[in-house]
Amino acid sequence: SAVISQKPSRDICQRGTSLTIQCQVDSQVTMMFWYRQQPGQSLTLIATANQGSEATYESGFVIDKFPISRPNLTFSTLTVSNMSPEDSSIYLCSVSGGRQGGNEQYFGPGTRLTVT
Amino acid sequence: AQKITQTQPGMFVQEKEAVTLDCTYDTSDPSYGLFWYKQPSSGEMIFLIYQGSYDQQNATEGRYSLNFQKARKSANLVISASQLGDSAMYFCAMREDPGANSKLTFGKGITLSVRP
Repeated sequence: SAVISQKPSRDICQRGTSLTIQCQVDSQVTMMFWYRQQPGQSLTLIATANQGSEATYESGFVIDKFPISRPNLTFSTLTVSNMSPEDSSIYLCSVSGGRQGGNEQYFGPGTRLTVT
Repeated sequence: AQKITQTQPGMFVQEKEAVTLDCTYDTSDPSYGLFWYKQPSSGEMIFLIYQGSYDQQNATEGRYSLNFQKARKSANLVISASQLGDSAMYFCAMREDPGANSKLTFGKGITLSVRP
């Protein structure tokens, strides 16, 4: 299985500021996915990041608010810009891959963000 | 219509007993994958098991098995010999489209509590 790390693991931020979350994978992957989990809710996909092209955003998420970088096949960043308390969530990156022909999907440990 | 439905309220099970967590799904794609994840209070999403729509046999991974009933569009997770460490949120998810580069759609989750 893929080993995924995220930094920071948690942070408390002031409203109006920005936070960049890093995701590192121990193997090369084509796609990296960024999800958000608001308190007490399920996971929602923010965007899909493909190396060498702009990220593809889901409905309700925009690049100005959640800019994503994907400089190589093992790394991606998600920035949460101009934060408000509504952005308080767990942010998780995810990749596909595994012994079952790549169908398994793994998640990083998550970044728990609190905006005050 | 919801694509993944998890309607059980919080579930309780006695240690060492088996428990079934329900999941129904809705898709018109002939090729899809179904996933179960465990999320303890730490927030990480732990991959448990995967079932492909064309798989002939129900998936099993240690104490986890997936009761896949395609005609009924259900993919229930069975945990055998429950342990105290199984207490967590459990999410069912689906990937439509073939391949590993499509997003996952998650259900709302079920809380499982294992009693000593």
